Amino acid sequence: GQNIDQPTEMTATEGAIVQINCTYQTSGFNGLFWYQQHAGEAPTFLSYNVLDGLEEKGRFSSFLSRSKGYSYLLLKELQMKDSASYLCAPKKAGTALIFGKGTTLSVSS
Amino acid sequence: DAGVTQSPTHLIKTRGQHVTLRCSPISGHKSVSWYQQVLGQGPQFIFQYYEKEERGRGNFPDRFSARQFPNYSSELNVNALLLGDSALYLCASSSATGPTEAFFGQGTRLTVV
Repeated sequence: GQNIDQPTEMTATEGAIVQINCTYQTSGFNGLFWYQQHAGEAPTFLSYNVLDGLEEKGRFSSFLSRSKGYSYLLLKELQMKDSASYLCAPKKAGTALIFGKGTTLSVSS
Repeated sequence: DAGVTQSPTHLIKTRGQHVTLRCSPISGHKSVSWYQQVLGQGPQFIFQYYEKEERGRGNFPDRFSARQFPNYSSELNVNALLLGDSALYLCASSSATGPTEAFFGQGTRLTVV
């Protein structure tokens, strides 16, 4: 089985930086995905980490520590459109994505 | 290229009825997964199919079943609907079962009354 833990809600202001943490316990771990989901829409892919370290992609970065079962998503220069749910999904080899409950981020002006 | 398409987009059923939801994956994708998402929660895994065979099943009752056709499209069937089955049902397709990105359809919003 898998245990995935992420904060339920976070708030931030425009222009700020926010870090969304995810801890997991996954047997047969094969990498970790982050997805973004706006209200009423389908989840969309943000990042995939398989090796330890930081992967940067524009305003968004994702970090993974396999030994600690820990990942975070870092969002810089926050914009109102970043208000969404962020889903952590550690990947088990040969299986479908299993998602955490998600973190709802609210960005205010 | 068309993305993942699901039909219908919205559906209202009464308790005890049966429902069939449909999904067409991205062309060339052979893996389809189904998820149930209730408001305020992350998507919960129901089934994964690859090359027409079931590759994984989540913790859902036997009232839920699915299948994948030779053209890789898929159906999710739910029998004896309960009020608690009201949710957004998402279909995701990927090229393989390995660590590849999954692409989601817009979902079917099922309301059971």
